[in-house]
Amino acid sequence: AQSVSQHNHHVILSEAASLELGCNYSYGGTVNLFWYVQYPGQHLQLLLKYFSGDPLVKGIKGFEAEFIKSKFSFNLRKPSVQWSDTAEYFCAVNAIKAAGNKLTFGGGTRVLVKP
Amino acid sequence: GAGVSQSPSNKVTEKGKDVELRCDPISGHTALYWYRQSLGQGLEFLIYFQGNSAPDKSGLPSDRFSAERTGGSVSTLTIQRTQQEDSAVYLCASSSYRVRDEQFFGPGTRLTVL
Repeated sequence: AQSVSQHNHHVILSEAASLELGCNYSYGGTVNLFWYVQYPGQHLQLLLKYFSGDPLVKGIKGFEAEFIKSKFSFNLRKPSVQWSDTAEYFCAVNAIKAAGNKLTFGGGTRVLVKP
Repeated sequence: GAGVSQSPSNKVTEKGKDVELRCDPISGHTALYWYRQSLGQGLEFLIYFQGNSAPDKSGLPSDRFSAERTGGSVSTLTIQRTQQEDSAVYLCASSSYRVRDEQFFGPGTRLTVL
């Protein structure tokens, strides 16, 4: 069974600072990788996804993530955060197989951006 | 509809009562998922429906939990004899059944068991 770990539970930073959130997964086969975001009072939204090809993927709102297969990692980055990036961020994995695409989520990282 | 909808948005119940949570997926999406988001366990997969195939129930925590999907669209998650540890936000998601498709999430139902 796959598992996902996110290194930081809480991150506090100031506007314009750079953000990097770590995500590692354990699964020996081929996976799809996702980052979801949950803004306060809102539902989960997709930030970006990786299926294949260029390991550096760009998502919405200036976010990007890099898939490093050898490290089983899919870290999320943003060069300069804004107050509106305050949210909880979830890394998720689904294993490519015939039966179903259920997502396994990391524990989430709460990000607070101070104005 | 435009997105996944869930009802009710909030449900407060007493321990031992049964509850039903409803999910309306995005029109045309053949895959439907239930997840649970709780403080202690994070986001957990519960059950997955795809078309007329048998559902993947591997994430259901106990036999008090069941779900059905009628007509390949609306789904109902039922929790019998609720316990306090069932308190959580129950999320529904849908997708088209292609390996590379994202899941779209609904707003969730916040269940509180007193």
